[in-house]
Amino acid sequence: GNSVTQMEGPVTLSEEAFLTINCTYTATGYPSLFWYVQYPGEGLQLLLKATKADDKGSNKGFEATYRKETTSFHLEKGSVQVSDSAVYFCALSDQAAGNKLTFGGGTRVLVKP
Amino acid sequence: GAVVSQHPSWVICKSGTSVKIECRSLDFQATTMFWYRQFPKQSLMLMATSNEGSKATYEQGVEKDKFLINHASLTLSTLTVTSAHPEDSSFYICSAPPGTANLYGYTFGSGTRLTVV
Repeated sequence: GNSVTQMEGPVTLSEEAFLTINCTYTATGYPSLFWYVQYPGEGLQLLLKATKADDKGSNKGFEATYRKETTSFHLEKGSVQVSDSAVYFCALSDQAAGNKLTFGGGTRVLVKP
Repeated sequence: GAVVSQHPSWVICKSGTSVKIECRSLDFQATTMFWYRQFPKQSLMLMATSNEGSKATYEQGVEKDKFLINHASLTLSTLTVTSAHPEDSSFYICSAPPGTANLYGYTFGSGTRLTVV
C-alpha cells in the first residue's frame, strides 16, 4: 500500500534560519504530492503541491520538488519566521487508491525569535 | 475557493451519549467526503469515505456501528459518534476530494475537537 514517511519533530529553529523537512513516499501508482500546514487548534491548509516528477511546488517562501528517482518531496524554506511555527504534513494521493490522501506523521516546527 | 464548513468546532459530551458532526460544502457539490481522525500530536488517519446515495466505506479496524456516516445530499455529510467513550476523544476532520464538481483540490473542514467525559 501507499505510505509517507517524514522526519520526526519537534524541529526548533531561530528566526531567519533555514528549514528542511524530509519526506519520502512509497506508492504503487503515480501519486500527486502535497505539503499541508496545521496551526494550533485549526484544520489543515494546503501549502503546496506537485503532480508529476520534477515539478516544484512553491508558496509563501516554501518549496518542494517531486523527485521520482529518490521518491522524495522535501520541504524547504530559506528564512523562517515565528509565524511559521506549526505542524507540517507531507501527503500523497493516488488515483489507483481512490484519491484518498495518505499522510505522513507530521513534523512540529517551532521558530523562536 | 471551495469551502467545507464543519460544525461544531468543539464539543464536550458525557460518556454514553451520541454526537453528530456535520460537514457542508458551501459552494460546490461534494459527492464524496473523507473522514479523518487525529489523536494529539499524531497524524491524520482515514476512518471512512462517504458517498452521496450509497453506503460509506470504512477503513479496516473502524467500527461501523460506532461511527455512523451519512451522506444525505450533495452538500452534506455527517459523522455520528454513538455511545461515546473517553477513548473516542479526538480531533475529527472531513475533507472533500477534487473532482468535476470541486476544481479547487482537497478541501478540509476546520475540524471538530470531541472530548468525552
